[in-house]
Amino acid sequence: EVQLLESGGGLLQPGGSLRLSCTASGFIFSRLAMHWVRQAPGKGLEWVSGISGYGESTFYADSVKGRFTISRDNSENTVYLQMNSLRAEDTAVYYCAKGHYGSASSVSNFDHWGQGTLVSVSS
Amino acid sequence: QSVLTQPPSASGTPGQRVTISCSGSRSNIGSNAVNWYQQLPGTAPKLLIYSNDQRPSGVPDRFSGSKSGTSASLAISGLQSEDEADYYCAAWDDSLNAVLFGGGTKLTVL
Repeated sequence: EVQLLESGGGLLQPGGSLRLSCTASGFIFSRLAMHWVRQAPGKGLEWVSGISGYGESTFYADSVKGRFTISRDNSENTVYLQMNSLRAEDTAVYYCAKGHYGSASSVSNFDHWGQGTLVSVSS
Repeated sequence: QSVLTQPPSASGTPGQRVTISCSGSRSNIGSNAVNWYQQLPGTAPKLLIYSNDQRPSGVPDRFSGSKSGTSASLAISGLQSEDEADYYCAAWDDSLNAVLFGGGTKLTVL
């Protein structure tokens, strides 16, 4: 059974930094791309970032480019999202999602999702 | 503002058929597969339709997807109360090198 468990969310002030983690199980982690998708309170889904199976390719939404960094440790079956220079508009539930293919580009097929971790940015 | 355009709301009575549209452009829907997600209240999204018209195992055949040109549609037949949820379309955009989601459609079963 595929399981994705996010952690690392919390409350912090604008300008702060936070690292989210997502630990996966139930599949061959290194073969598949992983993504982060967020949802602001009462709003729709927004894709944040994706990373290919072996970590050689990464992609970002324009809204987080230059501030967020996605990475993965295939030996630990974990994907990370380092978030710097946080803004109030980054407040959201952050979901980890499993890609259906090794490539993180040209696809939007996320076949399993975690339960999400809440990030609140407020002064 | 989403580049993939969905109606904000849709509704139907039990047993009816409803459709939800998703309009994009050549760089996203026109060039890449469309996927649909269902988000029940208070839960994480779930993949409902992938590669335009394929259903993952466990998804009832009441749900179907289609794509034509730069638009896609999700159809739900035999509407049930448990179908009340938010529905999102998604596609990769070749110009942005990013995944786009539609703004979401809130389906109400009357």
